[in-house]
Amino acid sequence: SAVISQKPSRDICQRGTSLTIQCQVDSQVTMMFWYRQQPGQSLTLIATANQGSEATYESGFVIDKFPISRPNLTFSTLTVSNMSPEDSSIYLCSVDAGSDTQYFGPGTRLTVL
Amino acid sequence: GQQLNQSPQSMFIQEGEDVSMNCTSSSIFNTWLWYKQEPGEGPVLLIALYKAGELTSNGRLTAQFGITRKDSFLNISASIPSDVGIYFCAGPIQGAQKLVFGQGTRLTINP
Repeated sequence: SAVISQKPSRDICQRGTSLTIQCQVDSQVTMMFWYRQQPGQSLTLIATANQGSEATYESGFVIDKFPISRPNLTFSTLTVSNMSPEDSSIYLCSVDAGSDTQYFGPGTRLTVL
Repeated sequence: GQQLNQSPQSMFIQEGEDVSMNCTSSSIFNTWLWYKQEPGEGPVLLIALYKAGELTSNGRLTAQFGITRKDSFLNISASIPSDVGIYFCAGPIQGAQKLVFGQGTRLTINP
């Protein structure tokens, strides 16, 4: 199975600032995904990170707020822009593992003051 | 859209007890997945089910793919303290390589 790492593991940020989260996979993968998990809630898909093209965003999420990069088949970044306390969540990246399954990274726990 | 309804939302049990949780949908799913998330970690895949009626085990965990394709069950036998966590069901959205998740079942075990 793929080994996925995320940086940073956690951060505390001031409102109005932006944070870029990195996701690194130890093998090439076709599809990478970004999820948000609000406190005490389930996982909600933000977008699919496509290599070489713009990310595909889910309803309720926009590129200006959550710009995503996917420069190659092992790396992606998610930026949370102009943060507010409502953005305090765990942000998770995942990769397609075949057979309808996904493997997840450890997550980035973000607190916005 | 396709949604998953998971129950119960939380469980408080004694060590050694068996646990059962389920996931239902108004839509048909061709795959059912069960994940576990521990504090400070990402979800880890426990069991994947691909055929209606399928019963699959992974140690003390057993999951079943409902015959109607609209539900799935996860059972944990003889619970131990390391079973603590949040269990999520998930399934792929038809026509797309992305997953939808249930609300999760938070399992707490009293020693």
